[in-house]
Amino acid sequence: DTEVTQTPKHLVMGMTNKKSLKCEQHMGHRAMYWYKQKAKKPPELMFVYSYEKLSINESVPSRFSPECPNSSLLNLHLHALQPEDSALYLCASSQAGRYEQYFGPGTRLTVT
Amino acid sequence: QKEVEQNSGPLSVPEGAIASLNCTYSDRGSQSFFWYRQYSGKSPELIMFIYSNGDKEDGRFTAQLNKASQYVSLLIRDSQPSDSATYLCAVITTGANNLFFGTGTRLTVIP
Repeated sequence: DTEVTQTPKHLVMGMTNKKSLKCEQHMGHRAMYWYKQKAKKPPELMFVYSYEKLSINESVPSRFSPECPNSSLLNLHLHALQPEDSALYLCASSQAGRYEQYFGPGTRLTVT
Repeated sequence: QKEVEQNSGPLSVPEGAIASLNCTYSDRGSQSFFWYRQYSGKSPELIMFIYSNGDKEDGRFTAQLNKASQYVSLLIRDSQPSDSATYLCAVITTGANNLFFGTGTRLTVIP
């Protein structure tokens, strides 16, 4: 089973709102990732968690705050976003010692 | 600078033909290579990965890797209209665990 789930599927938020995106996997994967994808562009890496520790932060603005409460869950907390942050936010996971990454269905975020 | 390049297309092939998708990469330290399929409005789906020089076949898909030429390709045999999607090439370099994506090739299979 290579299923990664993400909630919500769609999110519309104002620039002053605080919201969170959630990602979950029950495959025993020990690395989890957040990507951002704009229309007609490839995914761009935002954060990597390895064994529940943040290992990569690709110079992402502080209005995006990741959290990994346990090995199955990954959250992305959003605050004071800008309209240009509107995009598809993708979560992925990979097995320890393997490089193949499996993506969830994504959250379509619109910032108004 | 790590770069992954793909012809953006669109690439159009008739149903039943072989579709050939190509990808070049600049970092000679790249070790792992992936092909993802992405339908419009959906997330990327891993369809092939290859780590060693040569060919790797899985059903109608064949991945080909030539590290000396820094080239990886994906062949889709007996193309079907359902194969119409954007195909993303991605690589991982030595010591890294994050994917670097190409810009993708849009494939259209004409019935």
